[in-house]
Amino acid sequence: EDQVTQSPEALRLQEGESSSLNCSYTVSGLRGLFWYRQDPGKGPEFLFTLYSAGEEKEKERLKATLTKKESFLHITAPKPEDSATYLCAVQEFNAGGTSYGKLTFGQGTILTVHP
Amino acid sequence: ETGVTQTPRHLVMGMTNKKSLKCEQHLGHNAMYWYKQSAKKPLELMFVYNFKEQTENNSVPSRFSPECPNSSHLFLHLHTLQPEDSALYLCASSHQFGQLSGNTIYFGEGSWLTVV
Repeated sequence: EDQVTQSPEALRLQEGESSSLNCSYTVSGLRGLFWYRQDPGKGPEFLFTLYSAGEEKEKERLKATLTKKESFLHITAPKPEDSATYLCAVQEFNAGGTSYGKLTFGQGTILTVHP
Repeated sequence: ETGVTQTPRHLVMGMTNKKSLKCEQHLGHNAMYWYKQSAKKPLELMFVYNFKEQTENNSVPSRFSPECPNSSHLFLHLHTLQPEDSALYLCASSHQFGQLSGNTIYFGEGSWLTVV
């Protein structure tokens, strides 16, 4: 059974204190790994898709990387507005080699950045 | 503002009531999804529709009944719910379910459901 595990469950940072969030996954065939940001009371907002080991993507203070077993979301010099829950999800190939399209999510990491 | 709009944003209903959640997407997508998000649990896929046809039912109880009249609209009809069904219900859409190329899923703001 596919599993997606995110760590830590919660992370508190001071403004400017860089850190990383982890997403470990076990799937039979990874089609894509997705990162979303979710603010309280709102739906998840798409951030990145990573498709192959070694791939990296950046957006403002966020940088996502991918290996064959895990993905990291690096946050450089965070600001209070980066406070949110960050969700990781995997999309798998089926036996026929096509993508089902559905996502399996981790439980999320709650990030709080203090001024 | 997202390309996926959900109404109502908040709903309180009794266990004997019948209500519906509505979702509309303005992204030109052909696949639509219902997800459930409960406290301290990962998002759970409930239903998938691809070109108006249901392609996934993730063992959802029959008290949840989806309807997809066209590729832009999706409903979730609710009846005789239980208090444990209280959660955030998220609608989402993507280009096409089962498509090999990139298939990013975009979410709406969600409908907060409280069953009393």
